[in-house]
Amino acid sequence: RKEVEQDPGPFNVPEGATVAFNCTYSNSASQSFFWYRQDCRKEPKLLMSVYSSGNEDGRFTAQLNRASQYISLLIRDSKLSDSATYLCVVNPRTGGFKTIFGAGTRLFVKA
Amino acid sequence: DTEVTQTPKHLVMGMTNKKSLKCEQHMGHRAMYWYKQKAKKPPELMFVYSYEKLSINESVPSRFSPECPNSSLLNLHLHALQPEDSALYLCASSQENTKSGGYTFGSGTRLTVV
Repeated sequence: RKEVEQDPGPFNVPEGATVAFNCTYSNSASQSFFWYRQDCRKEPKLLMSVYSSGNEDGRFTAQLNRASQYISLLIRDSKLSDSATYLCVVNPRTGGFKTIFGAGTRLFVKA
Repeated sequence: DTEVTQTPKHLVMGMTNKKSLKCEQHMGHRAMYWYKQKAKKPPELMFVYSYEKLSINESVPSRFSPECPNSSLLNLHLHALQPEDSALYLCASSQENTKSGGYTFGSGTRLTVV
């Protein structure tokens, strides 16, 4: 089992749709969690951190379920500009070499 | 201004060349990283500079060597690379305690080894 697994993609959705990505992790000692967005041939950019209480930033909502060891990202009212690869990142307390990137989920939003 | 600056943006080098990738962060972060990313794959961590110590991923071949002149610079020296080393090389920085925030990446150096 991979340490961090993400939904296989690609996801193809129309503009205005709601789309959800899941990410599971195997290390129960993991301490911090993030979603990154990466556009084609660009660097990853931090989209949002993920907290146990859940957090929302505009159209984006992230949730953490420690008991089931998964995190999720919900995008509401999808825009064409949301098309990208979404990477799940899991850190232990100290980060460094134990930081794990998921393989990413590709999203295509179409008009 | 870009908070993590990488140069050059593109590099083509022969297998016998020596070149360096440069990275500078302007965020006052105490940890810096080099990642390698192949197409359609996640970034793979190569080196970490944190707590004033350099940590090396042992799977990284010795033809890559990092150098940390100060806490805001982390360079990557390249020597005798192979074509399979062609990739996007990403530098990142973070607070030392990554629990409080994620990484900020530079825009990367796209390296082609011929």
